[in-house]
Amino acid sequence: EAGVTQFPSHSVIEKGQTVTLRCDPISGHDNLYWYRRVMGKEIKFLLHFVKESKQDESGMPNNRFLAERTGGTYSTLKVQPAELEDSGVYFCASSQQSTGNYGYTFGSGTRLTVV
Amino acid sequence: AQSVTQPDIHITVSEGASLELRCNYSYGATPYLFWYVQSPGQGLQLLLKYFSGDTLVQGIKGFEAEFKRSQSSFNLRKPSVHWSDAAEYFCAVGVSGFQKLVFGTGTRLLVSP
Repeated sequence: EAGVTQFPSHSVIEKGQTVTLRCDPISGHDNLYWYRRVMGKEIKFLLHFVKESKQDESGMPNNRFLAERTGGTYSTLKVQPAELEDSGVYFCASSQQSTGNYGYTFGSGTRLTVV
Repeated sequence: AQSVTQPDIHITVSEGASLELRCNYSYGATPYLFWYVQSPGQGLQLLLKYFSGDTLVQGIKGFEAEFKRSQSSFNLRKPSVHWSDAAEYFCAVGVSGFQKLVFGTGTRLLVSP
C-alpha cells in the first residue's frame, strides 16, 4: 500500500507570504495528524482529524495556521502570513480509527524555511 | 504535564559496538511508549512500542528497549551497531486516549568506522 505522502518536500518562502502544505494519508485511514519540529526542538503535536472533523487542535500555535480536511481524504495546512519562527519540518501521520497512535504511519515531512 | 527527556543530543558509536539511547518520561498513568527513527530524507519509522506485559520489547532492525517503571525509563539498545543505523532517534509517549504523541528532542546517532 502507498504510504503517507507529503508535498512539497521542501519550501522556501519569504516572511509574510502564504504557504500550503498537503498531506495524503493512507487510503482508509480516518485519523490524520499534523506535527511540527522546529530546529533543535522536540516534535510537537499540532492537530488531529477524524475524517473531516477536527478532533483536537490544541497544538495549533496561532490563528495564522489553518488546517482543513475536506471530504475526509487529504489534508492541507496553510500558514498565512508566514513568520520566521514557522520554519521547521512539518510531519503528517495517519492511522486507522481503531488503532489510534498504536498504528501511526508518518510521512517524510515538509521542510519549511521562512526567510 | 506529560514529557519525554532524551538527555543525549548526539552519540557517536563505533561500528560493531553496542548502543544504548536513553529515554525518561513523565506521565501520570500507565505509559504507552514508542521509539521512532528518522533516517535522512525519510519519514519517522516505528522501531518498537510498549503497551503492557513483558518489559523487554523487541523491535525491527535488531533493536530492543526495556521499560523500567521504577526509573521512568525506556532505553533503546542494540548489541552491534551497523553504519546504516546512523539516524535520529525519537522516544515518545502516547497520551490523550492514545490519539496524540509527546516526543523527546531526539538523539542523533553517528557511527564511526
